[in-house]
Amino acid sequence: QSMLTQPPSTSGAPGQRVTISCSGSDSNIGTNTVNWFQQLPGSAPKLLIYGDSRRPSGVPDRISGSKSGTSASLAINGLQSEDEATYYCATWDVSLNYPWVIFGGGTQLTVL
Amino acid sequence: QVQLVQSGAEVKKPGASVRVSCKAFGYTFTNFHMHWVRQAPGQGLEWMGVINPRHGGTTYAQQFQGRLSMTTDLSTSIVYMDMSSLRSDDTAVYFCMRDAECSATSCFHDWGLYWGQGTLVTVSS
Repeated sequence: QSMLTQPPSTSGAPGQRVTISCSGSDSNIGTNTVNWFQQLPGSAPKLLIYGDSRRPSGVPDRISGSKSGTSASLAINGLQSEDEATYYCATWDVSLNYPWVIFGGGTQLTVL
Repeated sequence: QVQLVQSGAEVKKPGASVRVSCKAFGYTFTNFHMHWVRQAPGQGLEWMGVINPRHGGTTYAQQFQGRLSMTTDLSTSIVYMDMSSLRSDDTAVYFCMRDAECSATSCFHDWGLYWGQGTLVTVSS
């Protein structure tokens, strides 16, 4: 079955830049745009990036997304303590006989 | 403003069924599909399926087919998620998630902009 692969964890010091990768395949990232979500403990996910690189209103421009081929990345510049959370990439997959949403396994970001 | 408000926590025995509701506020209910996503304790997000409130058409993830049902009540703008034959590994927080807006020819990509607060379903004997 299709998968989106993310590193389980990453970390950075305040003010630094971190990137989180999301690796997929032709049937998902290679065909459809990628959304990124931030989830704080005990809360619903929050949309950070949609359509590969667009930010919803209210998301600061130090957060950005990109995609190349079957991989996508989320970058956070000027890391802040409030960025400590779990981040998920997601997209649609067309490998089955119906379109379905696939999530990456999540990356836990620790701010040192 | 847009809000999705879910029903409260449930405790069920193995083999039982559960219904979780998601009431939509602040937008035209029939203009947006609604997804259900679940998250087991300490685990990631798992897509369950999606419903088109306008005509009730559904798509369910393969692993839930046969025991998952999504329906809507247009008079109250509520989406229901019913799951039967519950097992202990169905213990999770269940979220509703609004899809992106679509025109006749294309869709925006901001699906997941709005989520319900989550409903904990505990399956235990």
